[in-house]
Amino acid sequence: NAGVTQTPKFRILKIGQSMTLQCTQDMNHNYMYWYRQDPGMGLKLIYYSVGAGITDKGEVPNGYNVSRSTTEDFPLRLELAAPSQTSVYFCASSPQGAPGQPQHFGDGTRLSIL
Amino acid sequence: AQKITQTQPGMFVQEKEAVTLDCTYDTSDPSYGLFWYKQPSSGEMIFLIYQGSYDQQNATEGRYSLNFQKARKSANLVISASQLGDSAMYFCAMREGGYQKVTFGTGTKLQVIP
Repeated sequence: NAGVTQTPKFRILKIGQSMTLQCTQDMNHNYMYWYRQDPGMGLKLIYYSVGAGITDKGEVPNGYNVSRSTTEDFPLRLELAAPSQTSVYFCASSPQGAPGQPQHFGDGTRLSIL
Repeated sequence: AQKITQTQPGMFVQEKEAVTLDCTYDTSDPSYGLFWYKQPSSGEMIFLIYQGSYDQQNATEGRYSLNFQKARKSANLVISASQLGDSAMYFCAMREGGYQKVTFGTGTKLQVIP
């Protein structure tokens, strides 16, 4: 089972560049999430989605955009990369209507902005 | 205001001893769920245990148990018989708002001493 797959695993960007972090899941989960984890810190919610075509902001959405055109995919777009966006980014998914089910996490994307 | 508070940035425990990791939460939603995750140095997020707000009994999963005190809004993780492999970051998380948004605490770094 692939679960939640994130690409790329590592990336270095220059200030002002843009990129898309890819996330796909093969579990038919309705809920998907993007988090960032700064060194030594917890996970902060950037955006989440409860289904195709529906997205909402989390705690730290500024500088990011998302889209959800299919159940499987939930890409995160960084526009005009800034050093403050250097972080590890995690994508997660969980099934709808199952509150006791944990989130399934990808392995993360380590992003450095120089 | 913090939704999830973990007041212990770091903890040490002797191998084979029990340890309690603290977590307090803040929500006005009567229906919510609490999760604990483990993050080893390799970076992946590993689900440990879940407690629902309406659950009458404290959750247990092998060596992990959750000391749920609803009136005090605390959900402490108890690890019995600590092992060297338990050394990791531990995160408390809460799902609320119709089981959509999930927020994380800042984590506790546990080190098990031989």
